[in-house]
Formats: sequence, structure tokens, C-alpha cells
Amino acid sequence: DSGVTQTPKHLITATGQRVTLRCSPRSGDLSVYWYQQSLDQGLQFLIQYYNGEERAKGNILERFSAQQFPDLHSELNLSSLELGDSALYFCASSVARQGSTDTQYFGPGTRLTVL
Amino acid sequence: GDSVTQMEGPVTLSEEAFLTINCTYTATGYPSLFWYVQYPGEGLQLLLKATKADDKGSNKGFEATYRKETTSFHLEKGSVQVSDSAVYFCALSDRGGSYIPTFGRGTSLIVHP
Repeated sequence: DSGVTQTPKHLITATGQRVTLRCSPRSGDLSVYWYQQSLDQGLQFLIQYYNGEERAKGNILERFSAQQFPDLHSELNLSSLELGDSALYFCASSVARQGSTDTQYFGPGTRLTVL
Repeated sequence: GDSVTQMEGPVTLSEEAFLTINCTYTATGYPSLFWYVQYPGEGLQLLLKATKADDKGSNKGFEATYRKETTSFHLEKGSVQVSDSAVYFCALSDRGGSYIPTFGRGTSLIVHP
């Protein structure tokens, strides 16, 4: 158990819909990262937050947004869903702002299926 | 930009065989290098890491040496077990660059009894 929790574990929805994925980092970790894992694209970094502020942005679509709240939990919002958004979405957390030597601790993931 | 290239899988071995999973990288700055492992149905977890050239990371019988001259960080284990069956990801985080973590596509390892 990494100490990172993600809800829900599974999500099935239809094209055009909007969903929210939730992540609670390990106690004491200030950074939260979001990743998308799919068979064709591998593991793609989406976005990082540090202590409530956006820190780094990766391959995140404009239809996707995220935020980190004062209690440090984070939410990833996916809207106007398309079939290609079906994937595993992972959250990870680490202690520091810049994760060059930091270990990232991954949650168990949310499997999103768009029908 | 930064990139990580891993050997394609699956890698299929018998128990107690020697394992090598190749990983090479390109980076603009001074990367730290990582191997993560993902067991079926779980998230990734750190296996080992190395933060500077010639460092050797090791854990649970796995080793990898940071080779700056060949830009490589190959994962090795002398004697694999069935319980090592998982997907292994090589990754880097570039201290001189954007700090955005870059992962390889993963290599599936299947170990037969």
C-alpha cells in the first residue's frame, strides 16, 4: 500500500459526458502528479500540482483540467469525453516541489471506460 | 526533448534465469534515473534509482548502473522468480530541464516455474 488513494476504482460513462477523478496523496506529500496509461500511448504525464499551485504541464488536453485543494487532495476533471479517453488514470505524490530525485508514490489507478 | 527507450516485451524466462531489460535515454540536462515496477492490477512502485553517473541502484536483487557514456540504465537480476512477473518501467527526471518525469513504454516480464 503506497498510501495514495484514488476513487473511484472503475468508471464507465458515455461519450460527451464529464467525470471527476479524485486523489488523496500520502500524508506529508505536497506534490501530486496525474498520468494517463493506455495501451497505445504508454504512460503519459498530464500535470503536476505543488501545494495548491500548478507546477508542470505535460500532454494534457484542453478538455481536461485539474486542481489541488487546501487539504492537498486533487481532482482531475475530464469533459466532452471521447472513446479515446478510455484508459487507466494514475495519481502519484511526492514530498517536494521539483521531483528530480524524489520518489513518486503511485495510487492504484482509476480505470475509465468511455462507451 | 527528453526520452526513454526500453526493449520491447514480453520477456519470457524460466525461474532462476538471468534477467536484463535494456533502457537508454536522451536528456538535455542531468537526469536522475529510475526503475518502477507495476504488478497486475496495481499502480507503479519504485524499484530502484540512481541520481548521478556511475551510481548503482539496487533493491530486491535487482540492480542498475547509471552509465553516462552510453546513456543507459539497464536493469539486471541474477535469478528471477515467478513473483517477479510484472511490467517494468524505466524513467528519468531531468534536473537541468523541465523536471517533467519521462517514462519508457514498459517491458512486460513473464517468469514460468
